[in-house]
Parts: sequence; C-alpha cells; structure tokens
Amino acid sequence: SAVISQKPSRDICQRGTSLTIQCQVDSQVTMMFWYRQQPGQSLTLIATANQGSEATYESGFVIDKFPISRPNLTFSTLTVSNMSPEDSSIYLCSVEDWVHGYTFGSGTRLTVV
Amino acid sequence: EDKVVQSPLSLVVHEGDTVTLNCSYEVTNFRSLLWYKQEKKAPTFLFMLTSSGIEKKSGRLSSILDKKELFSILNITATQTGDSAVYLCAVEARGNTPLVFGKGTRLSVIA
Repeated sequence: SAVISQKPSRDICQRGTSLTIQCQVDSQVTMMFWYRQQPGQSLTLIATANQGSEATYESGFVIDKFPISRPNLTFSTLTVSNMSPEDSSIYLCSVEDWVHGYTFGSGTRLTVV
Repeated sequence: EDKVVQSPLSLVVHEGDTVTLNCSYEVTNFRSLLWYKQEKKAPTFLFMLTSSGIEKKSGRLSSILDKKELFSILNITATQTGDSAVYLCAVEARGNTPLVFGKGTRLSVIA
C-alpha cells in the first residue's frame, strides 16, 4: 500500500499567520484528499486535489482560506491561511489504496494561539 | 445526504473483555464500508467490507457487514490496553464521492 510522509507533525502558530502542510506519497496517485479533524470530532473532507487542475472544495471550505497545490502526482500542500483559534485541529492527507481502502498521512496537529 | 452513525460514542472496559462496536449508515450507491483505528493522529486501516455476511478477521478483531439492515459491527475479543483508541467507521459510495466518516467510538481498556 502507499506510504505518505506528512509534515510538520505539529505546530503552534500565532493567529493571523499561515501554515503550509506537505504530503509526499511514495507512488503516483491521481487524487489526494485533505481532511480536518477538530477536537472531539470526526474527519471532515476539506478538498480533493487533482494534479493539473484546481482542487475541488467541499461545502464550507474555500480556496482563499485553504489554498492547495498539486504540482505532480506524488506531492501536495495545504495552506491554512490567516489562522484563528478555531483552526486548531488535526489535518490529514489521504490517498486511495485499492488494497487497504484509503491510506492516511501521519497527521499535523495545529494549535493556534 | 449520506450519513454514518456509530455507537456507543465511548466505552470503558477491563482487559480481557469482549467489545462490540456498531456502525449504521445511509448512503446512495454503496461501494464499501471501512473501519479504522485512530490512536494519536493518523487513522490506520483495519477492514474494508463490501459484501454482506462475510466476516473479516485479523487476530482478535473481526467485522461483518449487513447490507440489508445497513450496519456493520466490529468485535474485539480479549481486549488489551493497546486496543485503547478511537475506532472510526466510514462508508464509500460509487463514483467520485468522498468517504463519509462517523464520529467514532472512543474505547478505553483498563488493566
């Protein structure tokens, strides 16, 4: 199954700043997914990143707040912009894996102060 | 709207107990149901179920799907403290639709 390297593992950021999270996959994948997990909640899909086209955002998420890059088939970044304490969450990237369903990166725990 | 409901939301058991976690779902054009274990940040894959009535087993964990009644159960026998985690259920529909996750069951196993 695919192996995803995600970084940073955690960060504490000041409100109003931005943080970029990176995911590197060890194989080429068509779609990469970005999730948010707020404290005590389940995973919510932010957007689907396709190589060569703009990301597709779910309801309630916009490109200005969560810009995504997908420069090639093995790499993607998610930026959390103009952060507020409400953005404190775990952020996860994921790819589809035909053997194991979906594989997740190791996650980024973001705290905004 | 696709929906996944897990119960109970939390559970505390003693080592050696057997637990059953429940997942019911509503989804248009069902493709698969997946179980994950989340200990810290990243969910790790446990099972993918596509057919009714076929039990999947991995060590002390097993799971089965009922597509008629739209639910799945995850059983853990002889629980150990290392089983303490949040167990997530998710359903996948056919086509380019995202996974829909339940809120999870937080299992605590005490010695």
